[in-house]
Amino acid sequence: AQSVTQLDSQVPVFEEAPVELRCNYSSSVSVYLFWYVQYPNQGLQLLLKYLSGSTLVKGINGFEAEFNKSQTSFHLRKPSVHISDTAEYFCAVTRFQGAQKLVFGQGTRLTINP
Amino acid sequence: DADVTQTPRNRITKTGKRIMLECSQTKGHDRMYWYRQDPGLGLRLIYYSFDVKDINKGEISDGYSVSRQAQAKFSLSLESAIPNQTALYFCATSEEQGYGYTFGSGTRLTVV
Repeated sequence: AQSVTQLDSQVPVFEEAPVELRCNYSSSVSVYLFWYVQYPNQGLQLLLKYLSGSTLVKGINGFEAEFNKSQTSFHLRKPSVHISDTAEYFCAVTRFQGAQKLVFGQGTRLTINP
Repeated sequence: DADVTQTPRNRITKTGKRIMLECSQTKGHDRMYWYRQDPGLGLRLIYYSFDVKDINKGEISDGYSVSRQAQAKFSLSLESAIPNQTALYFCATSEEQGYGYTFGSGTRLTVV
């Protein structure tokens, strides 16, 4: 079975500062990895995904994530955040083959302060 | 119209009542899912369906049932609601592997 751990439940940063949201996963098989964002009172939107190929994945709104197989991590980064990035962010994993269900981490609440 | 529509958006119900949450999609996807979101726990899978004749339990299916009425419709029922089923419920759809999910806007359910 797969599992995901998001290492920070809350991350406060100042506007225009860089941010990293950490995600580690556990799986005995190859996986696909995803980051989703949930703005207040909304559903989840896909930010980016890693399927194969380059380990640096670029997503929407200036976010990027790097897949590190040896460390089983998929950390999300943005070099300069805006107030509008205030949201909850979820890391998720699904196995490469077989019955595929997304397994989510606990979420990280990103708060941007002016 | 939204790709994945959930009704109702908000619902307050009493303990012991039966309640149905509905989900419809226009994505044409075969795969549909029900998750619940609780603060600090992320999203946990309740049930999923890979086609109309396929229904599978997720990690927290006790107290819930589902019906896949058509490719586009997937309903979640709470047979006898209890307060710890108070949560935000999401329906999602997906293509085959690797493409990520499309989520509805959620149903906020409160059981009093």
